[in-house]
Amino acid sequence: DGGITQSPKYLFRKEGQNVTLSCEQNLNHDAMYWYRQDPGQGLRLIYYSQIVNDFQKGDIAEGYSVSREKKESFPLTVTSAQKNPTAFYLCASSILDRGTNTGELFFGEGSRLTVL
Amino acid sequence: AQSVTQLDSQVPVFEEAPVELRCNYSSSVSVYLFWYVQYPNQGLQLLLKYLSGSTLVKGINGFEAEFNKSQTSFHLRKPSVHISDTAEYFCAVTYTGGYQKVTFGTGTKLQVIP
Repeated sequence: DGGITQSPKYLFRKEGQNVTLSCEQNLNHDAMYWYRQDPGQGLRLIYYSQIVNDFQKGDIAEGYSVSREKKESFPLTVTSAQKNPTAFYLCASSILDRGTNTGELFFGEGSRLTVL
Repeated sequence: AQSVTQLDSQVPVFEEAPVELRCNYSSSVSVYLFWYVQYPNQGLQLLLKYLSGSTLVKGINGFEAEFNKSQTSFHLRKPSVHISDTAEYFCAVTYTGGYQKVTFGTGTKLQVIP
């Protein structure tokens, strides 16, 4: 079955450490996204990518980095520069073809990062 | 810029009672509208969407929503809720042209009381 796989599901990190969250999709979608979710704040866009080797900052990109070396993969690194990294992180993808693109997102199961 | 408002952060309702979760949006252009559901510690999944055509949209699990352009609303309804409907519900909007940046509401937690 097609879908989006995020790993790890739960992650603990000490302050000052970088951590990388994995996101893989086999839906053949062009666009991929990373969102951060905090209680009562909805979803906030961190980074998105519409094509391999290209990505754009979202609304809260500071302290995060991404890469898009393959169409299927869009890993997110939470760096030590991120002031408050404890959150639930969601990866998503979408079709980008102008004829069928509606903005509908397909989500992974999420990764919960806790900084100790 | 587009925005989405979900005024109710939490909605408690008794099992088998009807429920309405409210969503209002602001946009100067045509939009697509979505409702997503999130169960605890899981990702979001699409409940229903309005793209065009009939303003009454039916989704999974017995939910439906009505697009009201004059009131810029897209309220979600279910005539009889079950315990399994306990989850957080997000309304979202995108423009109908170009790259669709998705704007989410802050979510409404539906708590179904036995």
